[in-house]
Amino acid sequence: EVQLVESGGVVVQPGGSLRLSCAASEFTFDDYVMHWVRQPPGKGLEWVSLITWDGSSASYADSVKGRFTISRDNRNNSLYLHMDSLRPDDTAFYYCSKGGAGWSTPPMSWGQGTLVTVSS
Amino acid sequence: QSALTQPASVSGSPGQSITISCTGTSSDVGGYDYVAWYQQHPGKAPKLILYEVNHRPSGVSSRFSGSKSANTATLTISGLHVDDEADYYCTSYTTTGTLWVFGGGTKLTVL
Repeated sequence: EVQLVESGGVVVQPGGSLRLSCAASEFTFDDYVMHWVRQPPGKGLEWVSLITWDGSSASYADSVKGRFTISRDNRNNSLYLHMDSLRPDDTAFYYCSKGGAGWSTPPMSWGQGTLVTVSS
Repeated sequence: QSALTQPASVSGSPGQSITISCTGTSSDVGGYDYVAWYQQHPGKAPKLILYEVNHRPSGVSSRFSGSKSANTATLTISGLHVDDEADYYCTSYTTTGTLWVFGGGTKLTVL
């Protein structure tokens, strides 16, 4: 069974930076697109970013473009999300998710999420 | 405001069938068969129940089915169970900048 474990969520001040990590196991990590999706507490889902299997291409939601950077380390089966210029509306649970072979496959398997709180 | 429109809530009794709609535009739902649905119980991560409009991942009950007409996708749950009570979200691939867009979610109550 696919295992995805997110970490790195903390309380951070507006304007601050943070890096989230996701440890993947029980599947061939470098065969798949990976996604980040977020969910403000008590609200709906918002797709954040995806990265291709080899890390050569990435895509971002308009709401985070220019502030967030997705990356991956296939040798260590890890996915990352570096977040800069954080704002209060970035407060959310951040989920790491395994996609499929290409950009047009949705988030398939999900981790349990890590909570990022942006507050002074 | 979410890119895809879902009803805020639906309800049904055990054994009944319900449908949840997901309306977008020709740039997302209407333009591609890359529509997926998720079930989310309180305090849990979302679970994929349908992808590519009507394909079920392994292990998902056949009581869940999907369809699409023009710019609207529909999730049907037949033979409602009490544990189907959850939030349901649709998502679609899009080429309007943001690659994937979600609906606002629908709360299903099984009375």
